[in-house]
Amino acid sequence: TQLLEQSPQFLSIQEGENLTVYCNSSSVFSSLQWYRQEPGEGPVLLVTVVTGGEVKKLKRLTFQFGDARKDSSLHITAAQPGDTGLYLCAGPGSSNTGKLIFGQGTTLQVKP
Amino acid sequence: ETGVTQSPTHLIKTRGQQVTLRCSSQSGHNTVSWYQQALGQGPQFIFQYYREEENGRGNFPPRFSGLQFPNYSSELNVNALELDDSALYLCATGGGSDANSGYTFGSGTRLTVV
Repeated sequence: TQLLEQSPQFLSIQEGENLTVYCNSSSVFSSLQWYRQEPGEGPVLLVTVVTGGEVKKLKRLTFQFGDARKDSSLHITAAQPGDTGLYLCAGPGSSNTGKLIFGQGTTLQVKP
Repeated sequence: ETGVTQSPTHLIKTRGQQVTLRCSSQSGHNTVSWYQQALGQGPQFIFQYYREEENGRGNFPPRFSGLQFPNYSSELNVNALELDDSALYLCATGGGSDANSGYTFGSGTRLTVV
């Protein structure tokens, strides 16, 4: 069974601090995606990483895919209150059905 | 506005009842997936429809069923509702057989079973 485990589950920080969220698995994934979800909304895709060792940057967000394609991380520099939300990593299931397997999510609260 | 519209936004049902949730996409994608998200958890895959046929199913009982229509809108039906069915139900388009591509999610239907 493919599982994705995220850590930490909850994070409460002050504006301006840096943070890293981790997404780990014992299974190899062909790609991993990161989503951000706000209360009352569906997840919104931030990035897809496909190649082992790949690093992608989206403004203050840096995403990395592990060399073995079993893990990924999201690093936020100088967090802002607008970064508050639920961050989800997700990867395609092994069967060819388009199924996405999600981690349990990391709830981030950035206090002004 | 993601282009994926779900209705209703909120719903309260009694245990044992049946419910139908709806999803439509402005882009007319031929693939639609449904997910269940319990409070504080990540979404769980229910099933996917491709060109009106079920294309894959997660670990959900048969009382969860779906339809996709020729205009690619979709319904999720749940029979014999249980308290544990209380969750946010999300519809997503895109992905298809290439799950490396991103999905576009609707805002969801919040179902409460009492």
